Amino acid sequence: KQEVTQIPAALSVPEGENLVLNCSFTDSAIYNLQWFRQDPGKGLTSLLLIQSSQREQTSGRLNASLDKSSGRSTLYIAASQPGDSATYLCAVGMGGGNKLTFGTGTQLKVEL
Amino acid sequence: DADVTQTPRNRITKTGKRIMLECSQTKGHDRMYWYRQDPGLGLRLIYYSFDVKDINKGEISDGYSVSRQAQAKFSLSLESAIPNQTALYFCATSGGAAEAFFGQGTRLTVV
Repeated sequence: KQEVTQIPAALSVPEGENLVLNCSFTDSAIYNLQWFRQDPGKGLTSLLLIQSSQREQTSGRLNASLDKSSGRSTLYIAASQPGDSATYLCAVGMGGGNKLTFGTGTQLKVEL
Repeated sequence: DADVTQTPRNRITKTGKRIMLECSQTKGHDRMYWYRQDPGLGLRLIYYSFDVKDINKGEISDGYSVSRQAQAKFSLSLESAIPNQTALYFCATSGGAAEAFFGQGTRLTVV
């Protein structure tokens, strides 16, 4: 059974800092990996999708990497802003329909 | 309009009542999913559907049923709600091994 772990569970940083969120998974036979953002009481917003054949994806200040063989992904956020404060979720897509297995998230707070 | 719309957004119901959560999507995707989110447990898959005639159980399907009325509509039912089904429920869609899109969620409270 696929298990997804996110470390740290919570993180508080000053504005402007570059930061890295970590995601690890136990079964490397994935189709893709997706990073989401969740604001309190809100839905999930897709940030980046990395297919299993890719090593990284970038969108603006966000960069996600994938190392399937070691079962790891990182989400790099450059020049953090208070508006980046949210919970970040990592999810791996498995075969048989792109069913997603989620980590429990990293709660990020960016302070002024 | 949102790509994935869930109704209702909030619902309080009593133990033993039947309740239906509805989901519609405008993405044109063939695959639809229902997840529930509990504090500390992350999101878990309840049911998923590849098309109108293909419905599959997920990790935690006991106590739930689903109906795929059309490619764009996928509803989740709790036949007899119980308090431990209190959670945040999400509907999602995807096209093959591609990006998944989620609705805004339905906060369900069973008292």
